[in-house]
Amino acid sequence: GIQVEQSPPDLILQEGANSTLRCNFSDSVNNLQWFHQNPWGQLINLFYIPSGTKQNGRLSATTVATERYSLLYISSSQTTDSGVYFCAVVILTGGGNKLTFGTGTQLKVEL
Amino acid sequence: SAVISQKPSRDICQRGTSLTIQCQVDSQVTMMFWYRQQPGQSLTLIATANQGSEATYESGFVIDKFPISRPNLTFSTLTVSNMSPEDSSIYLCSVGTTGSGKLFFGSGTQLSVL
Repeated sequence: GIQVEQSPPDLILQEGANSTLRCNFSDSVNNLQWFHQNPWGQLINLFYIPSGTKQNGRLSATTVATERYSLLYISSSQTTDSGVYFCAVVILTGGGNKLTFGTGTQLKVEL
Repeated sequence: SAVISQKPSRDICQRGTSLTIQCQVDSQVTMMFWYRQQPGQSLTLIATANQGSEATYESGFVIDKFPISRPNLTFSTLTVSNMSPEDSSIYLCSVGTTGSGKLFFGSGTQLSVL
């Protein structure tokens, strides 16, 4: 099946710093989403971004489908950004609507 | 986005018992899925809950262990049967609508099996 690898696995930032999270996938996809899982376990959908670039406040995401990767940018990080960030994909052929989740990036933002 | 209510939010169960988790959505949705998140791990799809028919299970998951019901377009249940400590995980309900592409998640059920 498709492999979805995220890097870095862990990241510690000082409040106000910027960061880039990466998601690599091994097959062509027609659906890619980024999620934030807060320390209480709730998963929040950040972006639906099978290709191109989107921005939402301090967050932005870029997917280069032909090169099989996506990036999530966090600017001016805040302590509330702490948690785990997952990318998830649906493969282009035979994937139906089933999301396969990546390995995750654990982010901690400190004061 | 849909409002998804999942309950219970957490439970502690004894080995050999079963627990049924409910997922209620405030609007009709075409797609409902159940995921498992083992401690410190990513999410793994258990099955797709099909309205009015048997669920579609992923490799490694079977109906006898994880029976699923979906009687209508707003409600589904997942039962974790004959539990063992290895079943201790977060179980999450996820929903989506055809054409939108986005999936949304309930708040999850934290299950601990003693």
